[in-house]
Amino acid sequence: DIQMTQSPSSLSASVGDRVSITCRASQTMSSFINWYQFKPGKAPRLLIHAASSLESGVPIRFSGSGSGTDFILIINDLQREDFATYYCQQTYSEPWTFGQGTKVEI
Amino acid sequence: QVQVQESGPGLVKPSGTLSLTCTVSGGSISTSNWWSWVRQSPGKGLEWIGEIYHSGSTNYNPSLKSRVTISVDKSNNQFFLKLNSVTAADTAIYYCARRTVTLRNWYFNLWGRGTLVTVSS
Repeated sequence: DIQMTQSPSSLSASVGDRVSITCRASQTMSSFINWYQFKPGKAPRLLIHAASSLESGVPIRFSGSGSGTDFILIINDLQREDFATYYCQQTYSEPWTFGQGTKVEI
Repeated sequence: QVQVQESGPGLVKPSGTLSLTCTVSGGSISTSNWWSWVRQSPGKGLEWIGEIYHSGSTNYNPSLKSRVTISVDKSNNQFFLKLNSVTAADTAIYYCARRTVTLRNWYFNLWGRGTLVTVSS
């Protein structure tokens, strides 16, 4: 299985901050990586697919980049509704696997 | 607007069978998408369980394959998860989700809110 290592596991930030979350894959995978936002009691939300493509309806303050084994999710101008847990996921090969998550806290 | 929603017992006894239903509303299950089950537990994080196509084709996570069955009922726009021989380690929030396939990538772009299943006597 492809292992996805996310860092940091948690971070504290303030409204208006720029936040970056990294994800490293155990093998190269082109751009087969997606990013999700999880909030308790709510349906998870796809933010970024194919490493850098913004999902329809997602604010442009979210962006993704990277290829090969190293990927980054950036949130510019952090808003209150962005405090959540973020996960990367690889869809390069089965079984699809996720990172351990990054909790963004106030 | 297409939605998916999980349903099923919230408590299962050890060694029993966990059975969940995912109902697709606002659209047909018979589209060019795969329909997945994913679970989230404190111990193992997010884990993809498996998926099914409306034709009945399935893919399973090898780590669970011996205990999992995913099936579909196209007439009722539902798909199902059965996980047998459960233990406390199977306690988790279970999500159903849609995996969309494009030329560039595939991704889970529709999720349910999840349902908590606890394995306990």
